[in-house]
Amino acid sequence: DQQVKQNSPSLSVQEGRISILNCDYTNSMFDYFLWYKKYPAEGPTFLISISSIKDKNEDGRFTVFLNKSAKHLSLHIVPSQPGDSAVYFCAASAMYSGGGADGLTFGKGTHLIIQP
Amino acid sequence: DTEVTQTPKHLVMGMTNKKSLKCEQHMGHRAMYWYKQKAKKPPELMFVYSYEKLSINESVPSRFSPECPNSSLLNLHLHALQPEDSALYLCAGARDLSYEQYFGPGTRLTVT
Repeated sequence: DQQVKQNSPSLSVQEGRISILNCDYTNSMFDYFLWYKKYPAEGPTFLISISSIKDKNEDGRFTVFLNKSAKHLSLHIVPSQPGDSAVYFCAASAMYSGGGADGLTFGKGTHLIIQP
Repeated sequence: DTEVTQTPKHLVMGMTNKKSLKCEQHMGHRAMYWYKQKAKKPPELMFVYSYEKLSINESVPSRFSPECPNSSLLNLHLHALQPEDSALYLCAGARDLSYEQYFGPGTRLTVT
């Protein structure tokens, strides 16, 4: 049973436009959500996170939105740049309810391709 | 500084070999993790250490043996692995269990 779902295996966006990556989760115990960026043969790089008490968190070009009632979050990248081309993983944890020792549950990732 | 280092970068081993993967961080992280990532799959948690104490993951075969010699080091000892254990092994650190995790570059393991 997949608890974190990224239903788009790939997404192609033109340089300068907005990239929107989506993530859905099923476990109501999840209270902390993260986005990671990954290049081939490298470890994931932490981008941005959000706790369940917020509905938006912004850091530079990256904004994460959380809709708890829909169990849905999204990552917005504005403007998209060629260096943003990578695989993006959504991850979740029941961190604040004592589930931090369970680590992170990852989605399958979305391959973002920024076209010049 | 969020650097986590892992050695070696690549490792090829036979099924009868014994080898170890090393992970190091000097950021004062008190939680450290081992993940396994197969091609085109997400990372999967193997082990968690919090303040140098292990939280056992019962689904991990005993041919993988973690060790935390001190708060900066994490080892993963490998023995009698199978070809299906070939994967990218990732180490991550976090300030503690309630904070975001920072990953190392990984060790690409091939079992022949």
